[in-house]
Amino acid sequence: SQQGEEDPQALSIQEGENATMNCSYKTSINNLQWYRQNSGRGLVHLILIRSNEREKHSGRLRVTLDTSKKSSSLLITASRAADTASYFCATDLYNFNKFYFGSGTKLNVKP
Amino acid sequence: EAGVTQFPSHSVIEKGQTVTLRCDPISGHDNLYWYRRVMGKEIKFLLHFVKESKQDESGMPNNRFLAERTGGTYSTLKVQPAELEDSGVYFCASSQVAGGNYGYTFGSGTRLTVV
Repeated sequence: SQQGEEDPQALSIQEGENATMNCSYKTSINNLQWYRQNSGRGLVHLILIRSNEREKHSGRLRVTLDTSKKSSSLLITASRAADTASYFCATDLYNFNKFYFGSGTKLNVKP
Repeated sequence: EAGVTQFPSHSVIEKGQTVTLRCDPISGHDNLYWYRRVMGKEIKFLLHFVKESKQDESGMPNNRFLAERTGGTYSTLKVQPAELEDSGVYFCASSQVAGGNYGYTFGSGTRLTVV
């Protein structure tokens, strides 16, 4: 069964708008991370939020975590064409040294 | 510092052939991971090395896949014989500390196409 699942699968917005992506997971986690993958490139670590944190900011990124609902959201403010990429959430479980990724949200920011 | 390097970046092979993917982790990173994304689906864990030892290979799909990390430096992932369903992007990651308390550094991936 899939631990992490992003929603929506695809999102298309205009440059300057905000983009919100959601991630749901099934079991209790240690931490949750968001990664970005530009076409043909590797996964880039964006932000990590620990299970005892509720919100975290990094530049134009804002991540929230609701452990009661087993969900997280990634908000990109004032989007740019360069933000066009696939975004993945990754969860890790206690005592397991591996991540569970979802299928990703494909974001297209139109100039 | 140099990042995680993977090669080849692309590989197209025929069904039944053998392909070997290579990953060079960041120097000094004892932990090395292989993941893959098949057909636009989720990215799945394959295995985890600590130095030259396989810590967890629970994600390896079947015995056609063989991963090695001789000497605890670079790692290879061999697929023999390759099947159509092996097509996908294979990612390698390394970290100094195991576990999810820190982000991993991923390579650019190897896109494998089996025809």
